[in-house]
Amino acid sequence: SYELTQPPSVSVSPGQTARITCSADALPKQYAYWYQQKPGQAPVLVIYKDSERPSGIPERFSGSSSGTTVTLTISGVQAEDEADYYCQSADSSGTYLWVFGGGTKLTVL
Amino acid sequence: QLQLQESGPGLVKPSETLSLTCTVSGGSISSSSYYWGWIRQPPGKGLEWIGSIYYSGSTYYNPSLKSRVTISVDTSKNQFSLKLSSVTAADTAVYYCASFTMVRGAFDYWGQGTLVTVSS
Repeated sequence: SYELTQPPSVSVSPGQTARITCSADALPKQYAYWYQQKPGQAPVLVIYKDSERPSGIPERFSGSSSGTTVTLTISGVQAEDEADYYCQSADSSGTYLWVFGGGTKLTVL
Repeated sequence: QLQLQESGPGLVKPSETLSLTCTVSGGSISSSSYYWGWIRQPPGKGLEWIGSIYYSGSTYYNPSLKSRVTISVDTSKNQFSLKLSSVTAADTAVYYCASFTMVRGAFDYWGQGTLVTVSS
């Protein structure tokens, strides 16, 4: 199987910067995507193709890639950003076309 | 803007087949711009991709579920469907349907999700 590894939890105070990482072997060759999920709601795409932001997503959300790790950065975290965040990508062989990381719970203190 | 809505039984008995349908509105399921997918989330756990289909009928399945999954498309009804056979309690989850946009390469429209419980 192919796995994307995320930290289970990240905590930050309001106004600080939150960084959530996602690691996997194929990330240098495959794009990564990030989804935000609030309790009882469907996931929402916040970053696509490593660093692109869909329309309607606040500018404080950004993405970056370095080697086998991609990072979702939320600058100036607000209380409303408290949610679970999932990365998504694919393996390099084409066997696992859509794989999700285990998710990271972002807590705003 | 696309809207997706899942429908189907909320309770399925062990060893039986789970069947769900996703109805697409606000766009055509025959569009070459989209794939259509199913993703599930067990209670309190993370997301798991089940499989995807293109309007032409080409299918792509999670290798861990491939032997039990069938996804089909009905272009006349603007719907696509999921069948998961031989279910167990481990298949209890919220099941989401979603559209995968070729331009973004991501699941960017999701249904609200439907909880399916496997229990006798």
